[in-house]
Amino acid sequence: QSVLTQPPSVSGAPGQRVTISCTGDNSNIGADYGVHWYQHLPGAAPKLVIYTNTNRPSGVPDRFSGSKSGTSASLAITGLQADDEADYFCQAYDTSLGGWVFGGGTKLTVL
Amino acid sequence: EVKLVESGGDLVQPGGSLRLSCEASGFTFATYSLHWVRQAPGKGLEWISYVGGPTGTIRYSETVEGRFTVSRDNSQKSLFLQMDSLRVEDTAVYYCARDMGGFQRGALDSWGQGTLVTVSP
Repeated sequence: QSVLTQPPSVSGAPGQRVTISCTGDNSNIGADYGVHWYQHLPGAAPKLVIYTNTNRPSGVPDRFSGSKSGTSASLAITGLQADDEADYFCQAYDTSLGGWVFGGGTKLTVL
Repeated sequence: EVKLVESGGDLVQPGGSLRLSCEASGFTFATYSLHWVRQAPGKGLEWISYVGGPTGTIRYSETVEGRFTVSRDNSQKSLFLQMDSLRVEDTAVYYCARDMGGFQRGALDSWGQGTLVTVSP
């Protein structure tokens, strides 16, 4: 059972918009630490796509955006493309555990 | 170009030990904090350890505290993970990753390709 809760799967057709939620509590997301998001393809290294809630690293297309409110955060991907199909993980610092935690991951399928 | 290369993964019996290494290049190693993250087969990412850059602060997850020891050698630009008392459930791909630091603390912007640790009788 992960500290941060994500839906196991989401799907969308090419060109559509999808969102992935990440729910925590007041010891992690609600403690006002940044939430970070990663894209992970099988056999590859995870890739940072959003850092500190809303920021995109250089090279990540603006189709990817992040938001945070209270004890939840979301990753939105617009204009879905086939190569967006991957697992996505949220991450935050947890003050109760004294370390970082990941969500359980969400598998994005592009139909 | 920032590069992280893990090594040391192997097949080991339960109760055994293994030492992983992560060799870094392309950035000022000593000034960055680093993490170890693992992924068990069919499971999600799990954060397991952190070592600060300038401060050398160390943190572990509850699942590995007391069994794993993280260290770094800034002169060799290398990160290490000594894993003792290994359990079957430690079987995973182990990644080292660089922390962006500062306000972005915890955001891991560069990752190695991972090294596979298999713990089996």
